[in-house]
Amino acid sequence: DADVTQTPRNRITKTGKRIMLECSQTKGHDRMYWYRQDPGLGLRLIYYSFDVKDINKGEISDGYSVSRQAQAKFSLSLESAIPNQTALYFCATGVGDRSTDTQYFGPGTRLTVL
Amino acid sequence: AQKVTQAQTEISVVEKEDVTLDCVYETRDTTYYLFWYKQPPSGELVFLIRRNSFDEQNEISGRYSWNFQKSTSSFNFTITASQVVDSAVYFCALRHQGGKLIFGQGTELSVKP
Repeated sequence: DADVTQTPRNRITKTGKRIMLECSQTKGHDRMYWYRQDPGLGLRLIYYSFDVKDINKGEISDGYSVSRQAQAKFSLSLESAIPNQTALYFCATGVGDRSTDTQYFGPGTRLTVL
Repeated sequence: AQKVTQAQTEISVVEKEDVTLDCVYETRDTTYYLFWYKQPPSGELVFLIRRNSFDEQNEISGRYSWNFQKSTSSFNFTITASQVVDSAVYFCALRHQGGKLIFGQGTELSVKP
């Protein structure tokens, strides 16, 4: 079984809809991350969480929110989806020192906003 | 500023050829960490290696090898005797202490039979 899982793997939605992407892990890592990948822009950090009570904004958090329900679960929400949020979204977990950890990525969720 | 440059956007080779993927980084820090990830056509990101700035020893893992040279700020990745399954986008990434993980733009490797 995969250590980091994301659901759904693919989602097509309409502008204005609320969407939740879920991530769960069995690695036992405290740190979790959400990134988006866009062609030509690489990966950009949306939010990260060092533990259940410690959540931080990344470089592109506007239009997104997160919830760390448990050590193993970290959800990303798009409150009102817009077309430029169409991207490949990755969840990752981190192990090691919090400032230099090695990150392990999930399989990704491909989101299309029409 | 922290930056990672992968100048090779696309590389195409024939199976069994050796191929080197270049990675050049910029950082003002003396302590930092370098990574390589593989993204196959299925889309997931697979961790390959982590290298600390204070450890310049090169590493070999099967057909994969990494050449870290601080003098030229490079962390190149070589695949020996490439195979079709090596076809993927490869990302180099940099992290300094307390900072975010910064990815290069990726190099798309196509290995043809």
